[in-house]
Amino acid sequence: AQSVTQPDIHITVSEGASLELRCNYSYGATPYLFWYVQSPGQGLQLLLKYFSGDTLVQGIKGFEAEFKRSQSSFNLRKPSVHWSDAAEYFCAVAPNQAGTALIFGKGTTLSVSS
Amino acid sequence: SAVISQKPSRDICQRGTSLTIQCQVDSQVTMMFWYRQQPGQSLTLIATANQGSEATYESGFVIDKFPISRPNLTFSTLTVSNMSPEDSSIYLCSATSRPTEAFFGQGTRLTVV
Repeated sequence: AQSVTQPDIHITVSEGASLELRCNYSYGATPYLFWYVQSPGQGLQLLLKYFSGDTLVQGIKGFEAEFKRSQSSFNLRKPSVHWSDAAEYFCAVAPNQAGTALIFGKGTTLSVSS
Repeated sequence: SAVISQKPSRDICQRGTSLTIQCQVDSQVTMMFWYRQQPGQSLTLIATANQGSEATYESGFVIDKFPISRPNLTFSTLTVSNMSPEDSSIYLCSATSRPTEAFFGQGTRLTVV
């Protein structure tokens, strides 16, 4: 069965420092991969997605993620974190076929210190 | 992109009662899904809302507890029946027309007392 692992439950980063959130997936083929952000009391906002092509994808708010097939990973990065980035981040996968729901990781809570 | 309106945004309900959550999409979509997010947890798929037919439920979720309707391509409802405090969660509606485009409503924060 497909699964998504986010090894870090909680990460604290200083404002202005770089960020990397880890995501590993288990799936036989290359799935569609997503990163979502959820701010307190808010719904899910799509940061970026990957389904083919260039393995380094750019998203909104200065985020990027790199797909590494050999490591079954799709880590999220940002070169300089802002206090407003404090939120819950979810990695998700979907089998590359129509009509399937997303499978989410357990999420990583990002705190930003000043 | 699709915009999903979900209501109510939050509610506090007495145990034993039922709450119906509505999800309206501003464009026709192929698939609609309902997720539950328990406090401090990730999103768990409850069911796939099928247009004009019975929803497809995931393991651990049953129709009697979570009846779902989808009368057309842009609207769905989820009812949480005979609620208990364990049902206190955020319930989210999602819609997609392609695997690469999944949109979410703002969620309904339910507290059962």
